Amino acid sequence: GEDVEQSLFLSVREGDSSVINCTYTDSSSTYLYWYKQEPGAGLQLLTYIFSNMDMKQDQRLTVLLNKKDKHLSLRIADTQTGDSAIYFCAERMNTGNQFYFGTGTSLTVIP
Amino acid sequence: DGGITQSPKYLFRKEGQNVTLSCEQNLNHDAMYWYRQDPGQGLRLIYYSQIVNDFQKGDIAEGYSVSREKKESFPLTVTSAQKNPTAFYLCASSIQGPNSPLHFGNGTRLTVT
Repeated sequence: GEDVEQSLFLSVREGDSSVINCTYTDSSSTYLYWYKQEPGAGLQLLTYIFSNMDMKQDQRLTVLLNKKDKHLSLRIADTQTGDSAIYFCAERMNTGNQFYFGTGTSLTVIP
Repeated sequence: DGGITQSPKYLFRKEGQNVTLSCEQNLNHDAMYWYRQDPGQGLRLIYYSQIVNDFQKGDIAEGYSVSREKKESFPLTVTSAQKNPTAFYLCASSIQGPNSPLHFGNGTRLTVT
């Protein structure tokens, strides 16, 4: 499979911004996704970005894509305790229907 | 409400027994997937199916088998050949098309002792 890398842990204070980073390997990826997983549950789609875009904003979420460096980030503004979860980035391959996921970043929000 | 149902949520088995995990979707999605999740390793693809009666191996298919006899259903069997079966298993589905994200079930946690 493809290598999609994320740092494992991130802690922020409530009200601060969180930035979760992801690097991927396949430059032919079409769409890149961010998912949120709460304990014991499945993954919930948060947002996505098409590979020809640089930025996408959706309420408190901002996705930045640097295609040259194959780097994707998710910024959560005004982070709340309910944002504590594991966040996964995923890339959809240009051919076929395969998706590859990062290792996940566990976000802890400190009150 | 449309969605993906995985059952049961928790499953316990003795070593050497085969076990089947259920995944049903009523989203009318063509493609279905099974992922395995282990702490610190993210999600790894076991099998996927793009159409009824057809499926492909993912990165870690050894010790697993699937069937796709109906569009709505994609059961996963964990066989006794799987050396380390204890994990959290996630089923997902999507429609065909370039911007079709995966929709996930709530997972089954399998413990083999």
